[in-house]
Amino acid sequence: AQSVTQPDIHITVSEGASLELRCNYSYGATPYLFWYVQSPGQGLQLLLKYFSGDTLVQGIKGFEAEFKRSQSSFNLRKPSVHWSDAAEYFCAVGVSGGTSYGKLTFGQGTILTVHP
Amino acid sequence: NAGVTQTPKFQVLKTGQSMTLQCAQDMNHEYMSWYRQDPGMGLRLIHYSVGAGITDQGEVPNGYNVSRSTTEDFPLRLLSAAPSQTSVYFCASSKQEFYGYTFGSGTRLTVV
Repeated sequence: AQSVTQPDIHITVSEGASLELRCNYSYGATPYLFWYVQSPGQGLQLLLKYFSGDTLVQGIKGFEAEFKRSQSSFNLRKPSVHWSDAAEYFCAVGVSGGTSYGKLTFGQGTILTVHP
Repeated sequence: NAGVTQTPKFQVLKTGQSMTLQCAQDMNHEYMSWYRQDPGMGLRLIHYSVGAGITDQGEVPNGYNVSRSTTEDFPLRLLSAAPSQTSVYFCASSKQEFYGYTFGSGTRLTVV
């Protein structure tokens, strides 16, 4: 079964600083990987996804993520954080084929606080 | 195009009561899922469906039932509510597994 680990429960950065949120997954084959963002009291919004091709993917709101198969990682990055980026971020993994296709597994989330 | 619609938005139940959380999507998505979100635990999959008539269990299915008679609807039934089922419930849908899921706005359920 697939699993996702987000090692950082809470990260604080200053506005304008760079950001990297870590995500590690466990799955035997090439997974589908996603990052979602959730503002307080809201649903989840898809930031970006990877399922094949270029390992550096661009998303909305200036975010990007890099798939590194050798490290089983899919870290989310942003070069300059804005106060509006304060939210909770979730990494998720999905699988292709087998008995678990269609099943999306989430990490525990990383809460991002942005200081002015 | 309404996306994924969940009703109700808020609900308070007494222990032992049953109820159905409604979820409907108008995007002709084959894949639909139910998650519960609890502080510090991320989103945990309750049940999911890859098409009408096909459902499967996720990681926390106990106490919940689902059925998928149409492509559009995927209701979640709580059989006998317990305080441990107090949570925020999200329904989501997707066209294919690699598209990413579109989420509803959630139902906040409190069981007293």
